[in-house]
Amino acid sequence: SAVISQKPSRDICQRGTSLTIQCQVDSQVTMMFWYRQQPGQSLTLIATANQGSEATYESGFVIDKFPISRPNLTFSTLTVSNMSPEDSSIYLCSVDTSGVADTQYFGPGTRLTVL
Amino acid sequence: KQEVTQIPAALSVPEGENLVLNCSFTDSAIYNLQWFRQDPGKGLTSLLLIQSSQREQTSGRLNASLDKSSGRSTLYIAASQPGDSATYLCAVRPSPNAGGTSYGKLTFGQGTILTVHP
Repeated sequence: SAVISQKPSRDICQRGTSLTIQCQVDSQVTMMFWYRQQPGQSLTLIATANQGSEATYESGFVIDKFPISRPNLTFSTLTVSNMSPEDSSIYLCSVDTSGVADTQYFGPGTRLTVL
Repeated sequence: KQEVTQIPAALSVPEGENLVLNCSFTDSAIYNLQWFRQDPGKGLTSLLLIQSSQREQTSGRLNASLDKSSGRSTLYIAASQPGDSATYLCAVRPSPNAGGTSYGKLTFGQGTILTVHP
């Protein structure tokens, strides 16, 4: 299994500002993912972050809005840039253990409110 | 494009009932299917994972089945308790043979909101 922590757990931000969310895993993993969950909705994948390469973004998400860093095999950051109220969501990181179970594990999420 | 649907959207039952949550998916080229639980405002807890070659998995009062050819999975909860109240999400992972960079990406259903009242 994998234990994942995220910082901050929640934040309230002003329109036009940026917030960087950190994701830390207790073991080395190859693939990390960032998801968004808008109020009352299910999870949507933003991007896949692999160490040593550029993140791969899903349709509808762009690097300028959601820059991602992956400096090593246990850590990643997601920045939500130039925020608007529509960015109010829970942001979750997850990891792929790629082991026997192939289970994906999720962090506790970061609840973002943009005023 | 994979689409995942969960029925019902919400379910309210008295304590002690056995219940079934349904999940269907449109593309049978999956690697595995995972059931998650999400408490309000929280992250996801993995409940069960079924590989595409498996028919079912059990953990305690939970049993998940998979019929890959028909694109369906069910989550059976026996003797429900108030502590089972949460949103239950199913998610499918594409087969590596699907190609591209989609391997690892989970496609989620909208979830079933379960309320078990005393």
